[in-house]
Amino acid sequence: EPEVTQTPSHQVTQMGQEVILRCVPISNHLYFYWYRQILGQKVEFLVSFYNNEISEKSEIFDDQFSVERPDGSNFTLKIRSTKLEDSAMYFCASSGQGRPSYEQYFGPGTRLTVT
Amino acid sequence: DQQVKQNSPSLSVQEGRISILNCDYTNSMFDYFLWYKKYPAEGPTFLISISSIKDKNEDGRFTVFLNKSAKHLSLHIVPSQPGDSAVYFCAASVGGATNKLIFGTGTLLAVQP
Repeated sequence: EPEVTQTPSHQVTQMGQEVILRCVPISNHLYFYWYRQILGQKVEFLVSFYNNEISEKSEIFDDQFSVERPDGSNFTLKIRSTKLEDSAMYFCASSGQGRPSYEQYFGPGTRLTVT
Repeated sequence: DQQVKQNSPSLSVQEGRISILNCDYTNSMFDYFLWYKKYPAEGPTFLISISSIKDKNEDGRFTVFLNKSAKHLSLHIVPSQPGDSAVYFCAASVGGATNKLIFGTGTLLAVQP
């Protein structure tokens, strides 16, 4: 069964450093998402991406964040200068086969720890 | 932002009995609702969904009920199995171009053997 994969599973970084979180969405999906979950809190939407551009972003997704689909399979989230409060689980999701599908399929997540 | 609420942080049921997980929402523009199951250190796994034009959707042991007038939905699991023990998230979407999901805080279900 196709699945979303994410690497690394755990990333530890120092405050102020740049991190890139990687995702491989399901191959025939066209809509891609990043969500995050701070420990003990709900899963929060960060950004959605379609046709090589951001279609929507949340207030959390400020200038420190960027997304990219550098090739036909990867989808990345970059945090330029990490802060302590960026520590969270980051989930990539994908959906749709030609039009938005409500059912989003999530990867296993990357645990980001900023020290 | 409390658009989707799950007021019970935890629920414990006996194996074989029914589990009922509840979710309330405030945004009348939501047009699709989903339930996800999450094990520790894993991503949310899609379980079942329902469109706002329906009041019930069933898939095997899982049934979701939607009461639009009360802005309430519930997930019924019957019979409950120990492998169902996980955190269950209710999520909602207003559709449109992105279908971003708004999640509830989750309910930890423990199914006792």
